[in-house]
This record gives sequence, C-alpha cells and structure tokens, in this order.
Amino acid sequence: QKEVEQNSGPLSVPEGAIASLNCTYSDRGSQSFFWYRQYSGKSPELIMSIYSNGDKEDGRFTAQLNKASQYVSLLIRDSQPSDSATYLCAVRVGQAGTALIFGKGTTLSVSS
Amino acid sequence: DADVTQTPRNRITKTGKRIMLECSQTKGHDRMYWYRQDPGLGLRLIYYSFDVKDINKGEISDGYSVSRQAQAKFSLSLESAIPNQTALYFCATSDPGLAGGETQYFGPGTRLLVL
Repeated sequence: QKEVEQNSGPLSVPEGAIASLNCTYSDRGSQSFFWYRQYSGKSPELIMSIYSNGDKEDGRFTAQLNKASQYVSLLIRDSQPSDSATYLCAVRVGQAGTALIFGKGTTLSVSS
Repeated sequence: DADVTQTPRNRITKTGKRIMLECSQTKGHDRMYWYRQDPGLGLRLIYYSFDVKDINKGEISDGYSVSRQAQAKFSLSLESAIPNQTALYFCATSDPGLAGGETQYFGPGTRLLVL
C-alpha cells in the first residue's frame, strides 16, 4: 500500500512567521512530488513541484526533498492570513503514466 | 471561461438512484481523473483515463463507473447511490508533455448528498 502521510494540524503561526509543512511517503520508487493548496470549499491548486533532492524556491515558498529519508516539506516565509488553507502533499510513483497519491492534508492557520 | 468544468455543482439524490456527474475540459489534455474528498480522508482516486480508449480503476472504484466520451469529456456514474457516497467530487486533468510534468488541474467540484 503506497502511503503519503501528513500531520492534519491545525498548524497555527502568527503573521510574518515561517510555516513548515511536512510530508513522508512510503514508496522509494516515488519520482515526483507536489504541494497543492486548497481553500475551504474550493478545488486544489498547485503551488510547487519538485523532482530532485534539495531545495526549490518560488517566491515565499520553498519545497525541500530528501529521497533518502522519504521526506518532502514546504516552507512558507512571511506567512500571511491569506495563506490559511489546507496544504496537500501529492506523490507520483514511477514514470509518467501513473496517477498521484495524495496525503490527507495539513490545515494551516495564520493569525494577524 | 473555466478550463475544467463540472456539472452539476451540487446534487441531492436518494438511495438507489442512478446519477451522473460530468466533467468537461478545454485544456486539450489527454489525461483525466475523478477523485472524491471526504473530511479527514483527503483526496482519493476513483478512476482515471489516459486517453479515450484507456480507463483505469483507482483506489476506490467500487460502486462507480466512468465513460470517456471524448478527449474533453469524462463522466462518473453512481449506478445505485448509497449514503456513504456523500462527498465532494473533483475532476482533474493533466498533460505529461508539458514542462512540469504531471501537474493536475482541478475542476470546481460537485457536492453530492445521498439521502
């Protein structure tokens, strides 16, 4: 059973702080990793994708991947109340041609 | 106009009824997916299709069927709805040929209540 694990939260941080969201996955054959953001009642939208070990930065967001530890994280710098949402980690196992496996999501609350 | 549309957006039905949820996309993507989302359970894959002639079962396909009528249309049917199929249903599309690989683009969702 391929699994993607996330702490459900809620993770509460004050405005301006760094929010750190974590995700672990069970299958070492996992190839691609994604972070989606989902506002309440809305559809998920892609924030970041990462394919290689290390860090990938995009604005206030940094994705970190460590395949040896089977761990992927998302850092949000200078957190804003508008970042309050559920963050879904998704993993693709194998090459193109397989579907994504989603974690259950971590709810982030940023207080002003 | 939205790239991925779902109809209906909300539906209330009774146990035992057959219903169809429809998904259309204008993104030109070959790959389409149906997910359901339940509180605390995240997104779970029901069925997916990589082209018109390709249909694959996902994690939770029992009680559901799909039809890929065209590249742009992918329908999900509940043959005989039951209350535990009450959920938020999402359609998604992707194109592996694009830079960024398997980014999935989600429709707005259909909220289904089975009484």
